[in-house]
Amino acid sequence: DVKVTQSSRYLVKRTGEKVFLECVQDMDHENMFWYRQDPGLGLRLIYFSYDVKMKEKGDIPEGYSVSREKKERFSLILESASTNQTSMYLCASSLPAGTGTFGYNEQFFGPGTRLTVL
Amino acid sequence: AQSVTQLDSQVPVFEEAPVELRCNYSSSVSVYLFWYVQYPNQGLQLLLKYLSGSTLVKGINGFEAEFNKSQTSFHLRKPSVHISDTAEYFCAVISGNMLTFGGGTRLMVKP
Repeated sequence: DVKVTQSSRYLVKRTGEKVFLECVQDMDHENMFWYRQDPGLGLRLIYFSYDVKMKEKGDIPEGYSVSREKKERFSLILESASTNQTSMYLCASSLPAGTGTFGYNEQFFGPGTRLTVL
Repeated sequence: AQSVTQLDSQVPVFEEAPVELRCNYSSSVSVYLFWYVQYPNQGLQLLLKYLSGSTLVKGINGFEAEFNKSQTSFHLRKPSVHISDTAEYFCAVISGNMLTFGGGTRLMVKP
């Protein structure tokens, strides 16, 4: 059974703290994604990684960075947390699009981390 | 550029009633469309997808969706909902590796 896990379900941090959100997948997927979920806005892509040490900015990368030192692990970093980063963060993984029928492969999602910044 | 619009942020419905969740998209390339469901305190789960072929797509839990190219729509339907269908539903379109999501529709099934 495919599995994407995230290190915390709930996290409370203070403004200015450095925050690490961890995501691990056991499916040997090349692609990993970090999304932010806010009411009425759906999911918005923060960063995407298509291989170890490779990354691309998504739609809302400001205030975030990422790290991918191993294939199975993708970390989202908030260098200095702010209250407007209070949100639900979802990680996902997939095989590369080019390997799939129709040039598509399904993304599998983790359970999410609800981050509150005070 | 692609975009997805879900016209209703919340849909209240009584148990055993039919429901339709609306989704419209815009895309300049071939369209692959998805519906995801998020149950309370869980991640996203794929409900169904349209890649090609029949425009009527059947998914899990009795849901189905119809791809309408002329109206650029992909509405989700279920003839009779259950309390357990209470969740948030997201419509999405994909291009290459990237998914673009709509804002979500919260389905609230009342007894």
